[in-house]
Amino acid sequence: SQQGEEDPQALSIQEGENATMNCSYKTSINNLQWYRQNSGRGLVHLILIRSNEREKHSGRLRVTLDTSKKSSSLLITASRAADTASYFCATADNYGQNFVFGPGTRLSVLP
Amino acid sequence: AAGVIQSPRHLIKEKRETATLKCYPIPRHDTVYWYQQGPGQDPQFLISFYEKMQSDKGSIPDRFSAQQFSDYHSELNMSSLELGDSALYFCASSLRLAKNIQYFGAGTRLSVL
Repeated sequence: SQQGEEDPQALSIQEGENATMNCSYKTSINNLQWYRQNSGRGLVHLILIRSNEREKHSGRLRVTLDTSKKSSSLLITASRAADTASYFCATADNYGQNFVFGPGTRLSVLP
Repeated sequence: AAGVIQSPRHLIKEKRETATLKCYPIPRHDTVYWYQQGPGQDPQFLISFYEKMQSDKGSIPDRFSAQQFSDYHSELNMSSLELGDSALYFCASSLRLAKNIQYFGAGTRLSVL
């Protein structure tokens, strides 16, 4: 089965710096989504990028998708301490189902 | 705006007991998904329902069952609980026509002692 895999698993940066997290997957997808999870809490949808899109922006978030490499990246610019959380990518298969999460990247933004 | 409501938020059970988790989707959402997230793990898809029928099945153990009711709320029933069932259980809902975006509840933390 397909699986999103985030890289790095943990990332510590200073406030104001940019954070880049990568995700790889194995099979063809309909779309890829990024979610955020504060420690032990619910998942919050951040952004969706469809398989025919290459880049998408939402506020301080920038997501890229390279279907030839089966990879995506999430860039958070001008990070804030409040961005500290785990970030997961999730892929949906060609039918928009089979939602599969990767292992997540724990981002720590230090003040 | 109304979100996905899960209850209870925390649940403590002993081995071999049963547990029932409830999920109330966002109004007008017709599809419900259940996920299990073990400590330090990524969420794993368990099962989903659309219009009260099972839509998709993931890694749900045979000891677990779920259903969706006429008001679209869903319940996850877990029997013969094992220590390894301790996890955060998430419910998500979506509109069938927009099933790519799932909205998650805050989760139920189940601890099996």
